[in-house]
Amino acid sequence: DAGVIQSPRHEVTEMGQEVTLRCKPISGHDYLFWYRQTMMRGLELLIYFNNNVPIDDSGMPEDRFSAKMPNASFSTLKIQPSEPRDSAVYFCASSQGDRGYGYTFGSGTRLTVV
Amino acid sequence: SQKIEQNSEALNIQEGKTATLTCNYTNYSPAYLQWYRQDPGRGPVFLLLIRENEKEKRKERLKVTFDTTLKQSLFHITASQPADSATYLCALDSLDTGRRALTFGSGTRLQVQP
Repeated sequence: DAGVIQSPRHEVTEMGQEVTLRCKPISGHDYLFWYRQTMMRGLELLIYFNNNVPIDDSGMPEDRFSAKMPNASFSTLKIQPSEPRDSAVYFCASSQGDRGYGYTFGSGTRLTVV
Repeated sequence: SQKIEQNSEALNIQEGKTATLTCNYTNYSPAYLQWYRQDPGRGPVFLLLIRENEKEKRKERLKVTFDTTLKQSLFHITASQPADSATYLCALDSLDTGRRALTFGSGTRLQVQP
């Protein structure tokens, strides 16, 4: 397996634009997580899915953020409209269970909003 | 409030020595504690998982201890090598909130000098 695949690796966008981040989890993993990492706040959980269903989105900072998982092999995180404070590295991770399993992370998307 | 604390100061050690990293937590009742390694520009990589009823876990040169009374985990790398230089993150799930996703500490950067 190629691991968790995220795209794009880098994204630079202007404030107010829509940004879509993409993730392909490992086949057979039924949990998918979106995290955001900044120097100030570290790794923060945004939302996670189980069997394509959103379970906990309490970490999503505002209504400008939305996430979907239309099928077991694809998820998106959308920010609309984007703001400079959204600049961070966004990671997707997948796991084969909810507890007792390590997470496999993607390489992340570095988002810069100018 | 729930808190995970890792030493924010970098740990510098000589090659061949044992590195010991600390993870303390408050107001958690974790069922599992995990350790990850993160290199610059990359996603975290799962290293080890230890359950609440386990005192110690080993994997090659790595050893993790888990003391639920002290609310502390220690992560040891024996015979350290310059290639072990990275940031190490601990992560907990939580039985209290029912959130079945890991919460991460801010990480400790390890620098192994040749």
